Amino acid sequence: DGGITQSPKYLFRKEGQNVTLSCEQNLNHDAMYWYRQDPGQGLRLIYYSQIVNDFQKGDIAEGYSVSREKKESFPLTVTSAQKNPTAFYLCASSRGSGGHEQFFGPGTRLTVL
Amino acid sequence: DQQVKQNSPSLSVQEGRISILNCDYTNSMFDYFLWYKKYPAEGPTFLISISSIKDKNEDGRFTVFLNKSAKHLSLHIVPSQPGDSAVYFCAARDYTGNQFYFGTGTSLTVIP
Repeated sequence: DGGITQSPKYLFRKEGQNVTLSCEQNLNHDAMYWYRQDPGQGLRLIYYSQIVNDFQKGDIAEGYSVSREKKESFPLTVTSAQKNPTAFYLCASSRGSGGHEQFFGPGTRLTVL
Repeated sequence: DQQVKQNSPSLSVQEGRISILNCDYTNSMFDYFLWYKKYPAEGPTFLISISSIKDKNEDGRFTVFLNKSAKHLSLHIVPSQPGDSAVYFCAARDYTGNQFYFGTGTSLTVIP
């Protein structure tokens, strides 16, 4: 079964700690994305990657970092510099320039205490 | 600045009737428009899309209409079913294919 997995579903961290959210896809997609959703708001783009070893900042990249060492994986690190990290984080992938549809993972709810 | 807007946060419709969800955009360089359906605590699921060179796309009970001059698109669901109750997001892809912009969502409730 092809798809996108995000783990864990729920994550709790103390303020000041870095935390890494996992995102894996077996769809052989070139492009991967990280979004953040807050109550009453749409999805806001944090980072995206069109190809391995390359990624670009989205609209709200401050306080976040990513890596793309493998085509299948695009982990997101929420650093202590992110002022308001509690949110629902969504990972997505797409074929890249050849496809216009994005496929989403189930999301990770991060709560910083 | 929000480039994709959904001005109705919620909509209630009777089962069997038509649901019409609206979306406005500001950037004329978008080349694809998409609708996603989302349940709480889950990722959005792709529903239907339309290319900027078309004005209508239909898939079963779902039809998307695009009015480029008005920078407006709408999703019609006919007939509406209780299982359609969810949050619907409108999204647009920029012409580079690199970024997608999402609206704030419309929560649809279909009343049995």
